Amino acid sequence: DADVTQTPRNRITKTGKRIMLECSQTKGHDRMYWYRQDPGLGLRLIYYSFDVKDINKGEISDGYSVSRQAQAKFSLSLESAIPNQTALYFCATSELGGATETQYFGPGTRLLVL
Amino acid sequence: QKEVEQNSGPLSVPEGAIASLNCTYSDRGSQSFFWYRQYSGKSPELIMFIYSNGDKEDGRFTAQLNKASQYVSLLIRDSQPSDSATYLCAVNNDGATNKLIFGTGTLLAVQP
Repeated sequence: DADVTQTPRNRITKTGKRIMLECSQTKGHDRMYWYRQDPGLGLRLIYYSFDVKDINKGEISDGYSVSRQAQAKFSLSLESAIPNQTALYFCATSELGGATETQYFGPGTRLLVL
Repeated sequence: QKEVEQNSGPLSVPEGAIASLNCTYSDRGSQSFFWYRQYSGKSPELIMFIYSNGDKEDGRFTAQLNKASQYVSLLIRDSQPSDSATYLCAVNNDGATNKLIFGTGTLLAVQP
């Protein structure tokens, strides 16, 4: 079984709808992240969480919210989806470490907002 | 100036050749540097990281770091068609959080 899983893998929704993307991990890592990837813009950090009670905004958090339900689960919500939120979304995890702390990525969720 | 810059490519090399991928960064205080490989439609997977000046080798891959010039490179020896992918450079410039800043990636195409 994969260490980091994301559901759904693909989602089509309409403008204005609220949707939730879910991430689960069995790596036992405390730190979890949500990124979006757009062609030509690379990976951009939306939110990150260093433990269940520690949630922080990334560089592009507007229009998104998150919930860390447990050490192993981190969900991303789009409160009212808009077409420019169409992107590939990745969850990642890492274990607290020094400068070489490494992030491991889930398989991604492809989201299309019509 | 972008924090982490990569040439988008595509970089085309013949099978068996050495592919050289480059990345520059703007924050001189950056501590560590990561190379990820991403196949089309798939998630990034770690190839290797480097944090000391000089070279670090892992199989066919060599990472090179030059902090004075603020660049890091990835060499792939004996390139194979299966190496065709986008290579992402990521930089840790925040010692308090160890967050990563990603470049936009370089597309490598290895021609059989």
